[in-house]
Amino acid sequence: DAGVIQSPRHEVTEMGQEVTLRCKPISGHNSLFWYRQTMMRGLELLIYFNNNVPIDDSGMPEDRFSAKMPNASFSTLKIQPSEPRDSAVYFCASSLGGAAYGYTFGSGTRLTVV
Amino acid sequence: AQSVSQHNHHVILSEAASLELGCNYSYGGTVNLFWYVQYPGQHLQLLLKYFSGDPLVKGIKGFEAEFIKSKFSFNLRKPSVQWSDTAEYFCAVGQTGANNLFFGTGTRLTVIP
Repeated sequence: DAGVIQSPRHEVTEMGQEVTLRCKPISGHNSLFWYRQTMMRGLELLIYFNNNVPIDDSGMPEDRFSAKMPNASFSTLKIQPSEPRDSAVYFCASSLGGAAYGYTFGSGTRLTVV
Repeated sequence: AQSVSQHNHHVILSEAASLELGCNYSYGGTVNLFWYVQYPGQHLQLLLKYFSGDPLVKGIKGFEAEFIKSKFSFNLRKPSVQWSDTAEYFCAVGQTGANNLFFGTGTRLTVIP
């Protein structure tokens, strides 16, 4: 199994541009999570899906952020328009059976908004 | 609300020193407990986990953790650290049957050769 796959690994964009981050969970996993990691705030849960349905998006910072999971093997996190304070590492994680079994994290996308 | 506390923000040790990183959580129900490690520039990887049974859990690379229910704690230990253990360590707690985990703020470990 290739694990959780995220793309791109690095993204540099200008303020105001749209950014789309992608995630492919482990095949068979039914929960998917998007996290943001910064030095100041640590690891923050943005949103998670269970069986492709968004369950909790209370961590999404504002309306500029949106996430979708059109099918069991793909999810996107979109920021539109992007701002410098969005610069962070964004991790996707998936799990089978919920939190009880832990998560497998992807390698992350390092986003820099200039 | 559930919370996970890691009181040590940065720990600096010499090689061969013993390690103990604290983790406390605030939830009274049945929990599942995890420690994750993040090496510099990498993603989080599972170090060990506790579901039930023996409260002393052994993980990879010589790490272990002890669940003390009365203290709501799940401290991580290693008898002798190596330079390669330099990383950030995250404690996480999940409510049994729930979908999501709650992570602590992490403890950065620096091991000096």
